[in-house]
Amino acid sequence: GQNIDQPTEMTATEGAIVQINCTYQTSGFNGLFWYQQHAGEAPTFLSYNVLDGLEEKGRFSSFLSRSKGYSYLLLKELQMKDSASYLCAVMDSNYQLIWGAGTKLIIKP
Amino acid sequence: ETGVTQTPRHLVMGMTNKKSLKCEQHLGHNAMYWYKQSAKKPLELMFVYNFKEQTENNSVPSRFSPECPNSSHLFLHLHTLQPEDSALYLCASSQGLAEQNEQFFGPGTRLTVL
Repeated sequence: GQNIDQPTEMTATEGAIVQINCTYQTSGFNGLFWYQQHAGEAPTFLSYNVLDGLEEKGRFSSFLSRSKGYSYLLLKELQMKDSASYLCAVMDSNYQLIWGAGTKLIIKP
Repeated sequence: ETGVTQTPRHLVMGMTNKKSLKCEQHLGHNAMYWYKQSAKKPLELMFVYNFKEQTENNSVPSRFSPECPNSSHLFLHLHTLQPEDSALYLCASSQGLAEQNEQFFGPGTRLTVL
């Protein structure tokens, strides 16, 4: 079966750095997405990785290792507004997105 | 604002009711999706439409009936639902089905079935 694993919840301090991991087993791979979802709101796109390596976009970076079936989202200089759920999703060989259950990130002052 | 709107935002219905959820995208996209989001569970893909044609139906019970009259509008018709169908129903759209096309989500309809 297809599976995406990510931690259920993480806590970090304002101004710090946090890394949210995602591991996957899917039938085929056509890219990995990270989305942010604030409570009661729609998920919004953060990043897309299809090749190995690190993609940096401002305070957020996303890393992919296809051989290990592993990705992480790195958030720097954390702000209170970063408190949200972070969803990892992999596009399989049928171009369907397989989603993780999300990681709820709590930022403390 | 993501360019995808959904109505209603909240819906409470009995098991014998019939209701419809509406989604509209203003992005000129060709693909539209219905997802179910339950607490602490992964997003479940329900239906996919590409150029108004249904391309996926992920074993969704027949009490959920989608309709896509054009590339900008998507409906989800509901009838004789069960309490376990209570969830957040999200609509999304993308330029196409290809791998690099990010999906844009609407705010969702919070459905409660009594």
